[in-house]
Amino acid sequence: EPEVTQTPSHQVTQMGQEVILRCVPISNHLYFYWYRQILGQKVEFLVSFYNNEISEKSEIFDDQFSVERPDGSNFTLKIRSTKLEDSAMYFCASNRDGLGGTNEKLFFGSGTQLSVL
Amino acid sequence: RKEVEQDPGPFNVPEGATVAFNCTYSNSASQSFFWYRQDCRKEPKLLMSVYSSGNEDGRFTAQLNRASQYISLLIRDSKLSDSATYLCVVFKGAGNMLTFGGGTRLMVKP
Repeated sequence: EPEVTQTPSHQVTQMGQEVILRCVPISNHLYFYWYRQILGQKVEFLVSFYNNEISEKSEIFDDQFSVERPDGSNFTLKIRSTKLEDSAMYFCASNRDGLGGTNEKLFFGSGTQLSVL
Repeated sequence: RKEVEQDPGPFNVPEGATVAFNCTYSNSASQSFFWYRQDCRKEPKLLMSVYSSGNEDGRFTAQLNRASQYISLLIRDSKLSDSATYLCVVFKGAGNMLTFGGGTRLMVKP
């Protein structure tokens, strides 16, 4: 089965530093997502992206966050100035037709564990 | 009230047991429902979608009760490999995003 790949698997950074988390969605998928999961808590939606623009974002996704699809294959999440509370597992996901249709299954990557010190 | 609510467990059951998990959701307009499985520190993986008519996949049966805003998952003949956290997930029908419950942890013992 095709996979969503994420790099790096672990990222350690100092508070205030910028980080970029990278994802390669499945090649024929058109909808891309970032979710995060703080240790011991539920999975939370951050942002969805379609047709080179953000289609939906949560309250968590403030001005410190941005997403980009720079080259037609990678999908990145940038945190400009990391805070301690940004420490979490960040999951990238993709699907072909968005949600609410017949092909709405979300394929998740294996995640990037971000630790902010 | 939480948007998607689950008993966190853990449910400790012996191999071969039947176990049931429940989930309630707050938005009556919710459109699609899913059970995902998550192993420790791994990504969520789709176990099954949930339909109003109920659906079965091998040892797993899912039911949806729209009137009560309630979703269930039944696992028959539990295996050691079923030990995981089971996530109830809802698509509210607006906005391209899924809402996750906090998960129910299952531990199957020999």
